[in-house]
Amino acid sequence: ILNVEQSPQSLHVQEGDSTNFTCSFPSSNFYALHWYRWETAKSPEALFVMTLNGDEKKKGRISATLNTKEGYSYLYIKGSQPEDSATYLCAFEYGNKLVFGAGTILRVKS
Amino acid sequence: DAGVTQSPTHLIKTRGQQVTLRCSPKSGHDTVSWYQQALGQGPQFIFQYYEEEERQRGNFPDRFSGHQFPNYSSELNVNALLLGDSALYLCASSLQGVYSSPLHFGNGTRLTVT
Repeated sequence: ILNVEQSPQSLHVQEGDSTNFTCSFPSSNFYALHWYRWETAKSPEALFVMTLNGDEKKKGRISATLNTKEGYSYLYIKGSQPEDSATYLCAFEYGNKLVFGAGTILRVKS
Repeated sequence: DAGVTQSPTHLIKTRGQQVTLRCSPKSGHDTVSWYQQALGQGPQFIFQYYEEEERQRGNFPDRFSGHQFPNYSSELNVNALLLGDSALYLCASSLQGVYSSPLHFGNGTRLTVT
């Protein structure tokens, strides 16, 4: 059974704080690791798809790193803003499907 | 460029009833996957349709079935509804054979079974 775990479950930070989340996944049979941002009442939106060990991707104030050998990925948000409030999901690509973690809920207070 | 659209937005059904959810994929996509998100959990893979056939299936009972039409749109059917089927149902579209690409999701259908 494939298991993807995310921590923390939820996070409350002040505007301007930097924060990071962790995603743990199986280190064998790796294809890709996805990160999605899911705002309330909207659809999940892809942030990154990472495939190579040591990969680092950046999109504005958000960045992610990948370690496929030990099975983890970090998502970083620099200088959090209220509009960053959302659920952040990671997903392990397995064949034609994604296996999702339960997500990290981020709330940024202004 | 239309994204993934799902209907209806919300649905309330009674135990034992049957329900049909609909999805139109993003323009240019030919593959539709369905996911169920129960409260407090991440989305779970139900099944995937390509070329009007079910290509892969997750750990869901036969009460869950689907269909894909020639225009790539898809339906998810659930028979003999149980209280535990209450969840958000997400549709995602992609291009078959293109791996390691992001999925495009719809806003979901919220199903409540009473």
